[in-house]
Amino acid sequence: DGGITQSPKYLFRKEGQNVTLSCEQNLNHDAMYWYRQDPGQGLRLIYYSQIVNDFQKGDIAEGYSVSREKKESFPLTVTSAQKNPTAFYLCASSITRVANVLTFGAGSRLTVL
Amino acid sequence: SQQGEEDPQALSIQEGENATMNCSYKTSINNLQWYRQNSGRGLVHLILIRSNEREKHSGRLRVTLDTSKKSSSLLITASRAADTASYFCATDETSYDKVIFGPGTSLSVIP
Repeated sequence: DGGITQSPKYLFRKEGQNVTLSCEQNLNHDAMYWYRQDPGQGLRLIYYSQIVNDFQKGDIAEGYSVSREKKESFPLTVTSAQKNPTAFYLCASSITRVANVLTFGAGSRLTVL
Repeated sequence: SQQGEEDPQALSIQEGENATMNCSYKTSINNLQWYRQNSGRGLVHLILIRSNEREKHSGRLRVTLDTSKKSSSLLITASRAADTASYFCATDETSYDKVIFGPGTSLSVIP
């Protein structure tokens, strides 16, 4: 079955550590996105990529980094520079920029201890 | 930047009643979408309405779009307990290659 796989589902991190969240899709979608969701809040865009080897900052990119070396993969690194990283992270993809119906993964919950 | 704003923030209704959620946005859009999120899960796409459409139906869902007022509404008819979830509107701005989500409406359907 086609879909988006995010891993790990739960992740604990000590302050000062970088962590990488994985996002893999087998939908053959060109565009991929990372969103952050805080309790009771909507989604805020961190980074997005419309094509391999290219990505753009969203509204809250500071303290995060991404890469898009393969069409299927869009990993997100939460660096130690991110001051409040505890959140629920959602990866999504869409066929192209046009229409932009998003398919979401199940999410990764990051807790900083 | 927050594009869409849903209203109300929370809604509690009895099973069988209709639920209406509203979304307002600020700039020109290509389309507007509604998504659903069960607690602690990813979002699921419900329906998309293009900027040149005024109303769209899908099963028990009815979406309207008023571009002159920059607003949309989602109506869920004959609600069920399984409809309990958060509902988000999302807009595809004409100026940017990204989809922006509102803060969502939390719907509780009481059996």
